[in-house]
Amino acid sequence: DAGVIQSPRHEVTEMGQEVTLRCKPISGHNSLFWYRQTMMRGLELLIYFNNNVPIDDSGMPEDRFSAKMPNASFSTLKIQPSEPRDSAVYFCASFQYGYGYTFGSGTRLTVV
Amino acid sequence: RKEVEQDPGPFNVPEGATVAFNCTYSNSASQSFFWYRQDCRKEPKLLMSVYSSGNEDGRFTAQLNRASQYISLLIRDSKLSDSATYLCVVIPARRDDKIIFGKGTRLHILP
Repeated sequence: DAGVIQSPRHEVTEMGQEVTLRCKPISGHNSLFWYRQTMMRGLELLIYFNNNVPIDDSGMPEDRFSAKMPNASFSTLKIQPSEPRDSAVYFCASFQYGYGYTFGSGTRLTVV
Repeated sequence: RKEVEQDPGPFNVPEGATVAFNCTYSNSASQSFFWYRQDCRKEPKLLMSVYSSGNEDGRFTAQLNRASQYISLLIRDSKLSDSATYLCVVIPARRDDKIIFGKGTRLHILP
């Protein structure tokens, strides 16, 4: 298994632009999580899905953030419009009870 | 009490020493626990699970204290390569409760 695959690895964009982050979870894992990590706030849960259904999006900062999981093998996190304070590393992780989390390599987002 | 709390450190420890740190949690119904290791600019990776009876993996020992609601990680004979941030994860018993990551403890092993 290739693990959790995220793209792009790095993204630099101008304020106001739309940003789309992508994630392919591990096949067979029921849950998918989107996290954001900064030095100040650590790992923050943004949203998670069970069996493709969004369960808890209370961590999504505001309406500029949206996430979808159209099928078991793909999820997107979109920021529109992006702002400099969105700069962070965004991790996707798939989770299976008994096995714990497996994280993707992350997308390092810089909004200038 | 915060849901999951860790001492952020950094812990600066000479090579070869033993170091231990804890992670406290507030939800007494929490079911399972993990320690993750995160290297600088990398993703967190599973280090070890934490079982009720405690578990050991080489130089690493994880313990669970349900009465006091904390888990611990002990590293013996520390190596330079142990320098990283160690995050605890608390999994609730109810599947619709939130899974919580601690903010991590930074460990620096000094030569």
